[in-house]
Amino acid sequence: GAVVSQHPSRVICKSGTSVKIECRSLDFQATTMFWYRQFPKQSLMLMATSNEGSKATYEQGVEKDKFLINHASLTLSTLTVTSAHPEDSSFYICSASPGGDYNEQFFGPGTRLTVL
Amino acid sequence: AQSVTQPDIHITVSEGASLELRCNYSYGATPYLFWYVQSPGQGLQLLLKYFSGDTLVQGIKGFEAEFKRSQSSFNLRKPSVHWSDAAEYFCAVGARGSGYALNFGKGTSLLVTP
Repeated sequence: GAVVSQHPSRVICKSGTSVKIECRSLDFQATTMFWYRQFPKQSLMLMATSNEGSKATYEQGVEKDKFLINHASLTLSTLTVTSAHPEDSSFYICSASPGGDYNEQFFGPGTRLTVL
Repeated sequence: AQSVTQPDIHITVSEGASLELRCNYSYGATPYLFWYVQSPGQGLQLLLKYFSGDTLVQGIKGFEAEFKRSQSSFNLRKPSVHWSDAAEYFCAVGARGSGYALNFGKGTSLLVTP
């Protein structure tokens, strides 16, 4: 149980285009989903926290107009990178939490974004 | 401020030797502690977690970790390393309650030599 999927696993796009990444909890309802970004050989950096039905909370330095997050249901959150540029190329990982006291989170396999 | 420190950026171990990866944390409340492993280009795999109770936690792939509150540490150990253990290891700390993201250490890269 507790499986989180991401789609696509890998995407290449041209500079200036927008890319949408989906994060789904397959066998549980996720009250909260998190989006992380990971640069090569570095740790995961939290970008934003999203709760179903409400606006996402962005970390300092993350442009909310560039990284649009939608958490429309308890099993789906999307991250849209708008007007992507080469510096947005990175590994994006989502996690989902069913809530509760233990704050357990389940991670997706990640999406490799390459902007040409 | 909350923080997670993995002092060792790289560690090299001979196959069959024992392994210990260090993790120290600074947290205001009782933390929840996790160790994840990441192979190149892959997502995170949970090795083990500590919420409460017995401070020695057993995980998958023969790993274990011990929570030492007095030292604010949660070191990961394995008695005999296999070549397939070569990967990046992340310690993460979470606060009690939902809606809180995990705070990750910078990671330790493990190289296993023949």
